[in-house]
Parts: sequence; C-alpha cells; structure tokens
Amino acid sequence: DGGITQSPKYLFRKEGQNVTLSCEQNLNHDAMYWYRQDPGQGLRLIYYSQIVNDFQKGDIAEGYSVSREKKESFPLTVTSAQKNPTAFYLCASSGGDRNNQPQHFGDGTRLSIL
Amino acid sequence: SQKIEQNSEALNIQEGKTATLTCNYTNYSPAYLQWYRQDPGRGPVFLLLIRENEKEKRKERLKVTFDTTLKQSLFHITASQPADSATYLCALDDYGNNRLAFGKGNQVVVIP
Repeated sequence: DGGITQSPKYLFRKEGQNVTLSCEQNLNHDAMYWYRQDPGQGLRLIYYSQIVNDFQKGDIAEGYSVSREKKESFPLTVTSAQKNPTAFYLCASSGGDRNNQPQHFGDGTRLSIL
Repeated sequence: SQKIEQNSEALNIQEGKTATLTCNYTNYSPAYLQWYRQDPGRGPVFLLLIRENEKEKRKERLKVTFDTTLKQSLFHITASQPADSATYLCALDDYGNNRLAFGKGNQVVVIP
C-alpha cells in the first residue's frame, strides 16, 4: 500500500538531547512537510521541501532541522534549542507540481520530555 | 493579521441529521480550500477540495461551498452517522504558494 510512515509512534527526550523523527513515503511525491500540533491548536508548519536537496522554513522552524537527501525521506531533528518540544508531530506529502494537490499525512509521532 | 476561524465548540448532532461546519478566513486570498478529517491520535485525511471559481462540491454525503465574497466555506455532512464523529479541519493555500494554512478544527459528535 502506498502511504506515509512515521516512526516512532511515541518518543521521549531527555533535557539537552537531540532526537530525530523519521518520515518515509512511497507515493513518489515531490513535496514533503512537517507540522506540529498542540492540544486545541491548528497544525503549524515547521519545514517543507518542494524537491530533493531543497527545503524552506515554515512558521515555527526555530529549534528544528531537516534534511532531504532522498525523495522518499524527510527526517526532522528536534534539537535541544527547542525549549517546548512536547507535541504531536505530523509529516505529510503532496504531488507538489501543482498548487492544488491534497496532502497525505502519516499517523504522527508524539514527543514528550522525560 | 491572517486568521482561519472554525468553531471551537463541539457540534453534537443526532444521527440522520445534517451537520454544518463553518470556516471563515481573514487576510487570505486562497485559490482553493480543502477539508480534512482527523480522528484522535491519527493524521488528517483529505476529504474534499474546492477551487475559488467553484460554488459547490459534493462527494457522497459530503458537500462543501466556497464564497470568496463572504470569505467563508461551509462543510455539510448529510444523513450523519456515528462513524462521522471526528474533528474536521479546513485548510487553504496562501496566494498559491503551495503551503497550506490550517484552522484549529471543529469536533463533530453524532449521537445514535
């Protein structure tokens, strides 16, 4: 089945530690996105990538980093500089070549602080 | 400032009735608007897309309208079922830049 796989489903971070969230897609989509969702809040865009080896900051990029070395993969690193990392993280992809493509989401990673 | 507003109060509705959700936006000029469904602990799932030159779009029991003058979209679920209980998100593009801005979502609870 085609889709987006996020792992792990739950992740715990110690103070001062960097953690990396995995996102893999087999939909052959060019564009990929990372969002953060807090209780009672809408999805907020962290980073997005329209094509391999290129990515742009979203609305809340501080304390996060990404890479896009392969079309299928868009990992997100939550660095120690992110002081409030506890949230539900969602990865998405879209066809990307036109501006009206729906986004396909994974089932998220829930990150908590130990 | 830019805003996308969806009702923060859950909509409780009797099974078989029509649920209607509202999405209002300010300081956006979207070329299209999308609606997603999100279940607890899951990622959103795409439901419908409507373009700025379309007044109405239907898919099975779902209907979406888009009024660019009122800056509003309405989302209808007809003959609602308990399985329709979820949070529904509206999302719109911002000047066609391939980024989506999401509302906070509106929870629907269908009572058997």
